Amino acid sequence: VRLQQWGAGLLKPSETLSLTCGVYGGSLSGFHWSWIRQPPGKGLEWIGEVNALGGGGIGGPNYNPSLKSRVTISVDTSKNQFSLRLSSVTAADTAVYYCARGDLIMDAFDIWGQGTMVTVSS
Amino acid sequence: QSVLTQPPSASGTPGQRVTISCSGSSSNIGSNTVNWYQQFPGTAPKLLIYINSQRPSGVPDRFSGSKSGTSASLAISGLQSEDEADYYCAAWDDSQNVWVFGGGTKLTVL
Repeated sequence: VRLQQWGAGLLKPSETLSLTCGVYGGSLSGFHWSWIRQPPGKGLEWIGEVNALGGGGIGGPNYNPSLKSRVTISVDTSKNQFSLRLSSVTAADTAVYYCARGDLIMDAFDIWGQGTMVTVSS
Repeated sequence: QSVLTQPPSASGTPGQRVTISCSGSSSNIGSNTVNWYQQFPGTAPKLLIYINSQRPSGVPDRFSGSKSGTSASLAISGLQSEDEADYYCAAWDDSQNVWVFGGGTKLTVL
């Protein structure tokens, strides 16, 4: 299974960040799908997740309370991909954004996307 | 400031054994499993240890994890130059309903 992510890398303050993560070689079902970010030179911050249940159902989403008012994570099962939208960005949102698969048995993020550097600057 | 506390740096010479600590609280490490990730500059993190001490397929048995109470540790034995990387611990936090990470430990092989 491979995750490939894409989206705009340069935004102005107040714009909306939009990233998509495609899942290749596997199904969305039965896993949690998260977005995680890493500001330059700093540690990892979990943004939120959506859960793809068996039978095509969708659970969640669950968001980090620190970002909840600005975040939307959605799933498109027909395209086998999930997306992140973060509104009203500021310079503090400048980071590398990763999509990741959460395995329920391992209780861990076992597969990661390649990362997308998003810079917010006027 | 990260919820889980790790030393910012660690070092060792080739062949040595190095340990990296991760301290949390009853709402995260104390009640949930701990994972460890390895990250090389410019690349995505890679799962190294899951459920406190389990290694994914392909991870050398030089890497081991343990957990006791509200703390966890990652041990690397037979240190090699290619182990030079950043290491992060992670756990689910029941009080905030979020995944929390340590601030990361930069391992240098002298």
